[in-house]
Amino acid sequence: NAGVTQTPKFRILKIGQSMTLQCTQDMNHNYMYWYRQDPGMGLKLIYYSVGAGITDKGEVPNGYNVSRSTTEDFPLRLELAAPSQTSVYFCASSYPTGGLGYEQYFGPGTRLTVT
Amino acid sequence: GESVGLHLPTLSVQEGDNSIINCAYSNSASDYFIWYKQESGKGPQFIIDIRSNMDKRQGQRVTVLLNKTVKHLSLQIAATQPGDSAVYFCAESLQGAQKLVFGQGTRLTINP
Repeated sequence: NAGVTQTPKFRILKIGQSMTLQCTQDMNHNYMYWYRQDPGMGLKLIYYSVGAGITDKGEVPNGYNVSRSTTEDFPLRLELAAPSQTSVYFCASSYPTGGLGYEQYFGPGTRLTVT
Repeated sequence: GESVGLHLPTLSVQEGDNSIINCAYSNSASDYFIWYKQESGKGPQFIIDIRSNMDKRQGQRVTVLLNKTVKHLSLQIAATQPGDSAVYFCAESLQGAQKLVFGQGTRLTINP
Protein backbone atom coordinates (compact mmCIF):
# COMPACT_ATOMS: atom_id res chain seq x y z
CA ASN A 1 0.00 0.00 0.00
CA ALA A 2 1.15 3.53 -0.77
CA GLY A 3 -0.77 4.86 2.24
CA VAL A 4 -1.69 8.53 2.02
CA THR A 5 -0.26 10.42 -0.95
CA GLN A 6 -0.38 14.17 -1.55
CA THR A 7 0.37 16.30 -4.58
CA PRO A 8 2.03 18.64 -5.21
CA LYS A 9 4.89 18.62 -2.69
CA PHE A 10 5.56 22.33 -3.14
CA ARG A 11 3.65 25.21 -4.70
CA ILE A 12 3.99 28.96 -4.92
CA LEU A 13 0.81 30.93 -5.58
CA LYS A 14 0.18 34.59 -6.22
CA ILE A 15 -2.44 36.36 -4.12
CA GLY A 16 -5.89 35.72 -5.56
CA GLN A 17 -4.97 32.57 -7.47
CA SER A 18 -6.72 29.29 -6.84
CA MET A 19 -5.50 25.73 -6.61
CA THR A 20 -6.46 22.24 -5.50
CA LEU A 21 -4.34 20.14 -3.17
CA GLN A 22 -4.80 16.48 -3.96
CA CYS A 23 -4.99 13.68 -1.39
CA THR A 24 -5.48 9.97 -2.04
CA GLN A 25 -5.44 6.98 0.30
CA ASP A 26 -5.47 3.31 -0.65
CA MET A 27 -6.30 1.84 2.76
CA ASN A 28 -10.07 1.99 2.33
CA HIS A 29 -10.36 4.33 5.30
CA ASN A 30 -13.69 6.03 5.81
CA TYR A 31 -12.35 9.07 7.62
CA MET A 32 -10.14 11.68 5.97
CA TYR A 33 -8.81 14.99 7.22
CA TRP A 34 -7.03 18.13 6.12
CA TYR A 35 -4.73 19.98 8.51
CA ARG A 36 -2.51 23.00 8.21
CA GLN A 37 0.68 23.44 10.18
CA ASP A 38 2.15 26.90 10.63
CA PRO A 39 5.74 27.46 11.87
CA GLY A 40 6.07 26.76 15.58
CA MET A 41 2.55 25.43 15.84
CA GLY A 42 0.76 22.14 15.98
CA LEU A 43 -1.68 20.93 13.38
CA LYS A 44 -5.03 22.64 13.01
CA LEU A 45 -7.98 20.83 11.46
CA ILE A 46 -9.42 22.51 8.36
CA TYR A 47 -12.04 20.03 7.15
CA TYR A 48 -12.80 16.38 7.63
CA SER A 49 -14.97 13.70 6.06
CA VAL A 50 -16.52 10.59 7.60
CA GLY A 51 -17.27 9.02 4.24
CA ALA A 52 -17.97 9.65 0.58
CA GLY A 53 -20.41 12.52 0.15
CA ILE A 54 -20.06 13.75 3.75
CA THR A 55 -17.81 16.61 4.83
CA ASP A 56 -17.68 18.90 7.85
CA LYS A 57 -15.79 21.94 9.04
CA GLY A 58 -12.91 21.75 11.42
CA GLU A 59 -11.24 24.47 13.47
CA VAL A 60 -10.03 26.73 10.61
CA PRO A 61 -12.23 26.21 7.50
CA ASN A 62 -12.41 29.78 6.19
CA GLY A 63 -10.89 30.20 2.73
CA TYR A 64 -11.05 26.49 1.90
CA ASN A 65 -13.48 24.03 0.37
CA VAL A 66 -13.49 20.25 0.12
CA SER A 67 -15.36 17.49 -1.63
CA ARG A 68 -15.45 13.72 -1.12
CA SER A 69 -16.87 11.97 -4.16
CA THR A 70 -14.99 8.71 -3.54
CA THR A 71 -13.59 6.87 -0.52
CA GLU A 72 -10.05 7.29 -1.84
CA ASP A 73 -9.87 11.01 -2.70
CA PHE A 74 -10.28 14.13 -0.58
CA PRO A 75 -9.14 17.26 -2.45
CA LEU A 76 -8.75 20.63 -0.73
CA ARG A 77 -9.58 23.74 -2.74
CA LEU A 78 -8.23 27.26 -2.19
CA GLU A 79 -10.32 29.72 -4.20
CA LEU A 80 -8.65 33.08 -3.53
CA ALA A 81 -5.20 32.50 -2.09
CA ALA A 82 -4.06 34.87 0.64
CA PRO A 83 -0.66 35.22 2.36
CA SER A 84 -2.26 33.92 5.58
CA GLN A 85 -2.68 30.57 3.82
CA THR A 86 1.07 30.09 3.55
CA SER A 87 1.56 26.87 5.48
CA VAL A 88 2.29 23.18 5.25
CA TYR A 89 -0.84 21.14 4.53
CA PHE A 90 -1.25 17.57 5.68
CA CYS A 91 -3.88 15.10 4.67
CA ALA A 92 -4.67 12.13 6.92
CA SER A 93 -6.99 9.15 7.02
CA SER A 94 -8.27 6.78 9.67
CA TYR A 95 -10.86 4.08 10.23
CA PRO A 96 -13.46 3.89 12.98
CA THR A 97 -12.78 1.34 15.70
CA GLY A 98 -16.08 1.39 17.52
CA GLY A 99 -15.06 4.24 19.79
CA LEU A 100 -12.04 2.41 21.16
CA GLY A 101 -9.52 4.79 19.76
CA TYR A 102 -7.88 5.13 16.39
CA GLU A 103 -4.73 6.12 14.57
CA GLN A 104 -4.55 8.73 11.86
CA TYR A 105 -2.16 8.06 8.99
CA PHE A 106 -0.59 11.17 7.52
CA GLY A 107 0.63 12.05 4.07
CA PRO A 108 4.02 13.74 3.46
CA GLY A 109 2.55 17.23 3.22
CA THR A 110 2.28 20.05 0.70
CA ARG A 111 4.28 23.22 1.34
CA LEU A 112 2.32 26.20 0.02
CA THR A 113 3.63 29.75 -0.22
CA VAL A 114 1.35 32.63 -1.18
CA THR A 115 3.09 35.85 -2.23
CA GLY B 1 14.10 22.18 4.68
CA GLU B 2 11.09 22.03 6.92
CA SER B 3 10.34 25.38 8.52
CA VAL B 4 7.83 23.99 10.99
CA GLY B 5 8.94 24.16 14.55
CA LEU B 6 11.28 27.16 14.46
CA HIS B 7 9.85 28.51 17.71
CA LEU B 8 8.95 25.26 19.42
CA PRO B 9 10.05 24.39 22.94
CA THR B 10 13.24 22.36 22.67
CA LEU B 11 14.58 19.50 24.74
CA SER B 12 18.23 18.54 24.34
CA VAL B 13 19.48 15.22 25.70
CA GLN B 14 22.65 13.20 25.50
CA GLU B 15 22.61 10.12 23.33
CA GLY B 16 21.83 7.13 25.51
CA ASP B 17 20.00 9.14 28.18
CA ASN B 18 16.27 8.94 28.78
CA SER B 19 14.03 11.72 27.41
CA ILE B 20 10.83 12.97 28.95
CA ILE B 21 8.53 15.14 26.86
CA ASN B 22 5.59 16.79 28.57
CA CYS B 23 2.21 17.93 27.34
CA ALA B 24 -0.66 19.75 29.01
CA TYR B 25 -3.96 18.97 27.35
CA SER B 26 -6.91 21.30 27.29
CA ASN B 27 -10.16 19.38 27.56
CA SER B 28 -10.95 17.56 30.78
CA ALA B 29 -13.52 15.50 28.85
CA SER B 30 -10.89 14.09 26.45
CA ASP B 31 -10.55 10.37 26.88
CA TYR B 32 -8.09 9.32 24.22
CA PHE B 33 -4.54 10.59 23.71
CA ILE B 34 -1.86 9.99 21.11
CA TRP B 35 1.79 10.89 20.73
CA TYR B 36 3.08 11.59 17.25
CA LYS B 37 6.64 11.99 15.99
CA GLN B 38 7.35 14.33 13.09
CA GLU B 39 10.71 14.24 11.36
CA SER B 40 11.85 17.11 9.20
CA GLY B 41 9.98 17.24 5.90
CA LYS B 42 7.61 14.41 6.79
CA GLY B 43 4.11 13.95 8.08
CA PRO B 44 3.45 12.94 11.70
CA GLN B 45 3.91 9.28 12.60
CA PHE B 46 2.02 7.45 15.35
CA ILE B 47 4.13 6.47 18.36
CA ILE B 48 1.81 5.34 21.12
CA ASP B 49 -1.68 5.97 22.44
CA ILE B 50 -3.48 5.73 25.77
CA ARG B 51 -7.08 5.79 26.90
CA SER B 52 -8.30 7.68 29.92
CA ASN B 53 -8.98 4.50 31.91
CA MET B 54 -5.23 3.91 32.02
CA ASP B 55 -2.40 5.76 33.78
CA LYS B 56 0.50 4.22 31.93
CA ARG B 57 1.17 2.35 28.75
CA GLN B 58 4.45 0.98 27.46
CA GLY B 59 5.69 0.35 23.98
CA GLN B 60 9.06 -0.43 22.54
CA ARG B 61 11.44 2.03 24.26
CA VAL B 62 8.54 4.43 24.89
CA THR B 63 6.18 4.92 27.81
CA VAL B 64 3.22 7.27 28.01
CA LEU B 65 1.98 8.49 31.39
CA LEU B 66 -1.40 10.12 31.91
CA ASN B 67 -2.36 12.26 34.90
CA LYS B 68 -6.00 13.21 34.50
CA THR B 69 -6.08 15.19 37.72
CA VAL B 70 -3.79 17.86 36.31
CA LYS B 71 -4.50 17.16 32.62
CA HIS B 72 -0.91 16.18 31.93
CA LEU B 73 0.56 13.70 29.51
CA SER B 74 4.19 12.67 29.19
CA LEU B 75 6.22 10.61 26.76
CA GLN B 76 9.32 8.86 28.02
CA ILE B 77 11.89 7.61 25.52
CA ALA B 78 14.48 5.20 26.90
CA ALA B 79 18.10 5.19 25.71
CA THR B 80 17.59 8.05 23.29
CA GLN B 81 19.13 7.54 19.85
CA PRO B 82 20.03 9.99 17.07
CA GLY B 83 17.03 8.73 15.10
CA ASP B 84 14.76 10.02 17.85
CA SER B 85 15.52 13.62 16.83
CA ALA B 86 12.19 15.07 15.75
CA VAL B 87 9.26 17.20 16.84
CA TYR B 88 6.88 15.36 19.16
CA PHE B 89 3.19 16.23 19.38
CA CYS B 90 0.56 15.12 21.79
CA ALA B 91 -3.05 15.00 20.60
CA GLU B 92 -6.32 14.55 22.47
CA SER B 93 -9.73 13.37 21.43
CA LEU B 94 -13.12 12.33 22.59
CA GLN B 95 -13.85 8.67 21.91
CA GLY B 96 -15.97 8.27 18.86
CA ALA B 97 -15.34 11.84 17.74
CA GLN B 98 -12.64 10.75 15.30
CA LYS B 99 -11.14 14.23 15.55
CA LEU B 100 -7.82 15.07 17.16
CA VAL B 101 -6.72 18.34 18.76
CA PHE B 102 -2.95 18.73 18.58
CA GLY B 103 -0.67 20.43 21.06
CA GLN B 104 2.11 22.82 20.02
CA GLY B 105 4.89 20.23 19.95
CA THR B 106 8.37 19.84 21.43
CA ARG B 107 11.57 19.56 19.44
CA LEU B 108 13.89 16.83 20.71
CA THR B 109 17.57 17.16 19.81
CA ILE B 110 20.19 14.54 20.58
CA ASN B 111 23.71 15.50 21.58
CA PRO B 112 26.39 12.97 20.61
